[in-house]
Amino acid sequence: DAGVTQSPTHLIKTRGQQVTLRCSPKSGHDTVSWYQQALGQGPQFIFQYYEEEERQRGNFPDRFSGHQFPNYSSELNVNALLLGDSALYLCASSLIQGEGETQYFGPGTRLLVL
Amino acid sequence: GNSVTQMEGPVTLSEEAFLTINCTYTATGYPSLFWYVQYPGEGLQLLLKATKADDKGSNKGFEATYRKETTSFHLEKGSVQVSDSAVYFCALSYSGYSTLTFGKGTMLLVSP
Repeated sequence: DAGVTQSPTHLIKTRGQQVTLRCSPKSGHDTVSWYQQALGQGPQFIFQYYEEEERQRGNFPDRFSGHQFPNYSSELNVNALLLGDSALYLCASSLIQGEGETQYFGPGTRLLVL
Repeated sequence: GNSVTQMEGPVTLSEEAFLTINCTYTATGYPSLFWYVQYPGEGLQLLLKATKADDKGSNKGFEATYRKETTSFHLEKGSVQVSDSAVYFCALSYSGYSTLTFGKGTMLLVSP
């Protein structure tokens, strides 16, 4: 049973550039959430996708956008990168109304903005 | 708003010592409570969870009891191992809205 996978594992960008991160959910899961984890901090919720729509959104600017595909995989896009966007980006998948909607996390993509 | 507060680390223990990591929460209603663990350079792994008051979650020797009266979900283990060294995160969510609110994490360092 494949778990949550993310790509790439590491990424280096410069300020002002754009980045796309990818996530494939755990088999059978239909909901994908994205989190940002700054160094030494707990993850912060960015947004959640279900049925290809943004279902919930945290306190992040519009520079952060996403997409969910019919196969439930998802992308996170960040435009106009800032130094403060350097973080570990975690994807989590869950099943609506299943297992108490427990979220399972991928290994993350570590983004460094120079 | 909802929030989770964890004891600050690092917590430094010798192998086979007893572990307690405190976690308290502020929330309305009846959230589900979770402990996640993050090993160096990795993502988060679900350690245990409890979905209602007085429930006890347990896994790999770790336990935590959902205490509604004290709004707490303290993590305990009777005898830690070097391999338990990691960062532990307490978190909450609400049924129907599976997004998680995390604490800042507590680093555990276990020496032989």
